[in-house]
Amino acid sequence: GDSVTQMEGPVTLSEEAFLTINCTYTATGYPSLFWYVQYPGEGLQLLLKATKADDKGSNKGFEATYRKETTSFHLEKGSVQVSDSAVYFCALIGVAGGTSYGKLTFGQGTILTVHP
Amino acid sequence: GAVVSQHPSRVICKSGTSVKIECRSLDFQATTMFWYRQFPKKSLMLMATSNEGSKATYEQGVEKDKFLINHASLTLSTLTVTSAHPEDSSFYICSARYLTGGLAGANVLTFGAGSRLTVL
Repeated sequence: GDSVTQMEGPVTLSEEAFLTINCTYTATGYPSLFWYVQYPGEGLQLLLKATKADDKGSNKGFEATYRKETTSFHLEKGSVQVSDSAVYFCALIGVAGGTSYGKLTFGQGTILTVHP
Repeated sequence: GAVVSQHPSRVICKSGTSVKIECRSLDFQATTMFWYRQFPKKSLMLMATSNEGSKATYEQGVEKDKFLINHASLTLSTLTVTSAHPEDSSFYICSARYLTGGLAGANVLTFGAGSRLTVL
């Protein structure tokens, strides 16, 4: 079945440092890939997405490129801020999900803490 | 817009009791809601798809008699953990499909903040 593997956290960085959170996946066909973020006390929010190979999703300074050849969708940000402290989830919707867009397969989440 | 409220955020109960978690769409109607659970250091796993006015669709391995889902209105779905045991302690999150229109809109899911259940 489909699966998503994220780098284990927690990740602790200083403000303005470069961020990479690795995400690799296993799925048949061409899944859609997502990064969700959960700030303390809030629900998951869609951060960015990519629906086909070589697509780059971007939002709020974060970027991730859909790499079919390496089955990866690593999240990057050039300069993190304290306000980026949150839990980040990589996820996919596989081909088998069809039009059932709720059938997200998630990674285990990575806690990011950014210090001033 | 597109806010989902989940309540309670934390609940502690004794083994053998039942616990109800509510998921409300505050400013939109949600014909479909989804319930996930997450064990410590594990992925979010889809438990079931809740459809307004009909029975929920459960994922393989999820006990429907233990995790009762009711979606009686377009803005409310409830998950009841019946006869809870310590192994049911987990983080439960609901989400609702928010249709903004067009194919792209079908991909928009709004999540609640989650409910942490601890069964003693």
